[in-house]
Amino acid sequence: NAGVTQTPKFQVLKTGQSMTLQCAQDMNHNSMYWYRQDPGMGLRLIYYSASEGTTDKGEVPNGYNVSRLNKREFSLRLESAAPSQTSVYFCASSVIQGARAEQYFGPGTRLTVT
Amino acid sequence: AQSVAQPEDQVNVAEGNPLTVKCTYSVSGNPYLFWYVQYPNRGLQFLLKYITGDNLVKGSYGFEAEFNKSQTSFHLKKPSALVSDSALYFCAVRALDTDKLIFGTGTRLQVFP
Repeated sequence: NAGVTQTPKFQVLKTGQSMTLQCAQDMNHNSMYWYRQDPGMGLRLIYYSASEGTTDKGEVPNGYNVSRLNKREFSLRLESAAPSQTSVYFCASSVIQGARAEQYFGPGTRLTVT
Repeated sequence: AQSVAQPEDQVNVAEGNPLTVKCTYSVSGNPYLFWYVQYPNRGLQFLLKYITGDNLVKGSYGFEAEFNKSQTSFHLKKPSALVSDSALYFCAVRALDTDKLIFGTGTRLQVFP
């Protein structure tokens, strides 16, 4: 049971390049999330998916797109990277069922845009 | 709108002393409240949560948190700090009618030997 996995761990992009961050969970969770973490700002929600086939915008969705490929996988795409997107990106998942509402996080992807 | 505040950027405590990391929240209705810990270069790990029931919640690694509805607070506590507790701690809140967590900005706990 690997939990939540993310690839890649590190990435350097030039301004204007595109890339996709991959996330997968093996806990049969319904909900999945993408956050970015910046110094002094905590975690901010980019997009989330309450269930397979649905996605919704979070607090900071501009410049990003997501795909909930199936129940296990939730990818985040940067179409044209900008230096403001330099950040650490975390994927998370959760079961929304009664009191079992905590989120489980992946190890993160550290992205630098030059 | 939901919000959560962690008023201290950093908390310093000597090993063996009790520690408190503060969190206050604002949410319509009854909240779900969470504490997470982040060690360097790692993802967040769940510590404990308050959903309903007893106001004192016990979690992982000897941590506990007290829910205080009148003060809208959910402070994290531990009776005796360890150097290995040094990390970044996040409080988060979720309203009952939404799937989204709102995180505080984090408090860095430094435990000195």
